[in-house]
Amino acid sequence: DTAVSQTPKYLVTQMGNDKSIKCEQNLGHDTMYWYKQDSKKFLKIMFSYNNKELIINETVPNRFSPKSPDKAHLNLHINSLELGDSAVYFCASSQRGGTELFFGEGSRLTVL
Amino acid sequence: GDSVTQMEGPVTLSEEAFLTINCTYTATGYPSLFWYVQYPGEGLQLLLKATKADDKGSNKGFEATYRKETTSFHLEKGSVQVSDSAVYFCALSHRDDKIIFGKGTRLHILP
Repeated sequence: DTAVSQTPKYLVTQMGNDKSIKCEQNLGHDTMYWYKQDSKKFLKIMFSYNNKELIINETVPNRFSPKSPDKAHLNLHINSLELGDSAVYFCASSQRGGTELFFGEGSRLTVL
Repeated sequence: GDSVTQMEGPVTLSEEAFLTINCTYTATGYPSLFWYVQYPGEGLQLLLKATKADDKGSNKGFEATYRKETTSFHLEKGSVQVSDSAVYFCALSHRDDKIIFGKGTRLHILP
């Protein structure tokens, strides 16, 4: 069983479109995250949720909207995609903030 | 604010060479320190961690010691293998707070 799974693994889309990435964890963790990794492998935290409540929002454009229907799921919706949104987006979870992170395999978004 | 600085890559070594990847940090108090590894096409996974000064984390032949006096957490391995080729991230966190990552160091091991 995959601990943190995210779908889709690849997205290729045109500028201006809207897309969503879904994430699910079966580890029973309370905290989930979205990270963005650019082409140079730099990893930047975007959002963190604890038990469905948003606790970290790191200066991300409001075109990005996370949603956590329950503590096992954290989805990311992106409106009006731009070229600069091309990256790999990772979902992660942890028992609580500051403890070991468990990452999904990533979703590679390419905006043309 | 807190930050992590690690050596620029890529680092290229021959198989069985000794590896050191330097990591220093700036933080208040006593953060926990981590090394994560990212193999090609995969997400990051925890390699080792240390939660207090002088602790040594170890896993898969890799080691790192939490040095409060030099604010460092250098990653070492005595004899690297081709399968160790990956990107390595140093990171820190405080309890109940986000984890802060360094920029990553790409490691290439030549057979």
